[in-house]
Amino acid sequence: ETGVTQTPRHLVMGMTNKKSLKCEQHLGHNAMYWYKQSAKKPLELMFVYSLEERVENNSVPSRFSPECPNSSHLFLHLHTLQPEDSALYLCASSQGPLAGQGSYEQYFGPGTRLTVT
Amino acid sequence: AQSVTQLDSQVPVFEEAPVELRCNYSSSVSVYLFWYVQYPNQGLQLLLKYLSGSTLVKGINGFEAEFNKSQTSFHLRKPSVHISDTAEYFCAVSKEPKLSFGAGTTVTVRA
Repeated sequence: ETGVTQTPRHLVMGMTNKKSLKCEQHLGHNAMYWYKQSAKKPLELMFVYSLEERVENNSVPSRFSPECPNSSHLFLHLHTLQPEDSALYLCASSQGPLAGQGSYEQYFGPGTRLTVT
Repeated sequence: AQSVTQLDSQVPVFEEAPVELRCNYSSSVSVYLFWYVQYPNQGLQLLLKYLSGSTLVKGINGFEAEFNKSQTSFHLRKPSVHISDTAEYFCAVSKEPKLSFGAGTTVTVRA
């Protein structure tokens, strides 16, 4: 149990669907992250939120839309995805980045396996 | 900018044998270094971290890593592996607020 939960664990969606991925952290952290993990590729950082403000957006297509309503919850809204978006989407949280405090490591959830048909 | 290179993409090893996973990083500033493990169908779990101090870092499950600043390396070792150590291992370097990950090393432990 890492303290970071993600739902759903598996998702199959068509290219015209709209769906959302949810992440919740129970660790009292103040930063949250979305990563994309594709087969045979390094982890790709998508978005970073610190104190509920987006501080990083790594040239992610607009069909991915993040939302961070509070420090414990993070969403990734999906619409009109492409088959190449099929991947494992990982959420993580950490304490203290940008504030000069904390131990810097990130804690990951189990991921959502997304398949776009 | 920093980057991480994991020199071995796959490492097969027999049970109870030692294993070493190699990681090199490039950075012009001080860094924080991490090793994560990912078991099948799971997220990443922190094995160990180097922030400062002793260059030999001990982590969970009997793993340890040594930070070598002159060689910009952070190799992971375990003296005797178990079947349950079969997983993918990722080296990462931190420069707030990001972690940059290596491509991963798949360790397969055989009886």
